[in-house]
Amino acid sequence: SAVISQKPSRDICQRGTSLTIQCQVDSQVTMMFWYRQQPGQSLTLIATANQGSEATYESGFVIDKFPISRPNLTFSTLTVSNMSPEDSSIYLCSVLGTGWDNEQFFGPGTRLTVL
Amino acid sequence: AQSVSQHNHHVILSEAASLELGCNYSYGGTVNLFWYVQYPGQHLQLLLKYFSGDPLVKGIKGFEAEFIKSKFSFNLRKPSVQWSDTAEYFCAVIARNSGNTPLVFGKGTRLSVIA
Repeated sequence: SAVISQKPSRDICQRGTSLTIQCQVDSQVTMMFWYRQQPGQSLTLIATANQGSEATYESGFVIDKFPISRPNLTFSTLTVSNMSPEDSSIYLCSVLGTGWDNEQFFGPGTRLTVL
Repeated sequence: AQSVSQHNHHVILSEAASLELGCNYSYGGTVNLFWYVQYPGQHLQLLLKYFSGDPLVKGIKGFEAEFIKSKFSFNLRKPSVQWSDTAEYFCAVIARNSGNTPLVFGKGTRLSVIA
């Protein structure tokens, strides 16, 4: 299994500002993902964080709005840029286990409120 | 591409009632199936998973799920719910041998157990 921590756990931000969320894993993992969980909704994949190269974004998400870094196999950051109230959500870091069973592990999430 | 449908948005049960949450997936090939649970204020946890073999799988806390291939279903069941089962439940699927791709989640079902 993998233990994932995220910082900050929650934040309240002003419109137009940016917030960087950190994700730390206790072991080296190949695949890291960032999800968004809007109030009352399911998890939506934002992007796959690739180590040493640009992230792979899902439809509807762009690098200018959600820049991602992945400097090594245990750490990633997601920045929510030029925030608006519509960005209020829980942002989750997730990693794929090293076994063959596709099990994914999730961080505790970062609850973001944009005023 | 895979997709997942969870039929019930919100289920309210009394303690000791039986539970069944529906999950159907859309994909023509072989899949791995998962149920995740998110207790209030906590992060996502794996409840149970199916890869192959006995289509009736047992998970933690008395939960079980049955894979019915002909119906593309993977319904979650528990004979007698407790107040502590109040949570959000997510069904997820991934195509077998899909490499390092992330899970596809359903929209979730909120379970409220009342005394």
